[in-house]
Amino acid sequence: GAVVSQHPSWVICKSGTSVKIECRSLDFQATTMFWYRQFPKQSLMLMATSNEGSKATYEQGVEKDKFLINHASLTLSTLTVTSAHPEDSSFYICSATPQRGASYEQYFGPGTRLTVT
Amino acid sequence: KQEVTQIPAALSVPEGENLVLNCSFTDSAIYNLQWFRQDPGKGLTSLLLIQSSQREQTSGRLNASLDKSSGRSTLYIAASQPGDSATYLCAVVTDSWGKLQFGAGTQVVVTP
Repeated sequence: GAVVSQHPSWVICKSGTSVKIECRSLDFQATTMFWYRQFPKQSLMLMATSNEGSKATYEQGVEKDKFLINHASLTLSTLTVTSAHPEDSSFYICSATPQRGASYEQYFGPGTRLTVT
Repeated sequence: KQEVTQIPAALSVPEGENLVLNCSFTDSAIYNLQWFRQDPGKGLTSLLLIQSSQREQTSGRLNASLDKSSGRSTLYIAASQPGDSATYLCAVVTDSWGKLQFGAGTQVVVTP
């Protein structure tokens, strides 16, 4: 149980275009989902916290107009990288917290590799 | 501001040896601490979750301890195997939404 999927697993896009990444909790409901980015050989950095039905909360230094997050249902959150540039190339990972108890355990998706050319 | 540090950054051991991975955090006001495993180019696999009221958790060959007052956690992996080669990350939950603060990780190589 507690499976989180991401789609696509990798994507290549041209500079200036937008890319949408989906994060789905497959077998549980997630009131909260998180979006992280990871540069090569570095740890995960939290970008934003996404709560179902409300606006996302962005971490300091993350441009909310560039990284649009939508959490339309209890099983789906999307991250759209708008007007992508080569410096946005990174590994994006989402996680979800099941809507049960207060254990706060997070389950992570397999990640999406974004390359902007 | 919470800071999470993992030492060592990299570790290489022969198969069969026990692994000891260290994690320290500066603010003891945490909700819980999680250990994860990450294989190259992959997402994270949760290994152990220790609630702030607990002192340790065990799962198979893995044992993690938590000393909140001193801001430390240790992950022990018994009788290491080549399949244990991966990067191990610790992270602490710092708010009621479950926001995780990660350490930089320890890259482990277990040689046959």
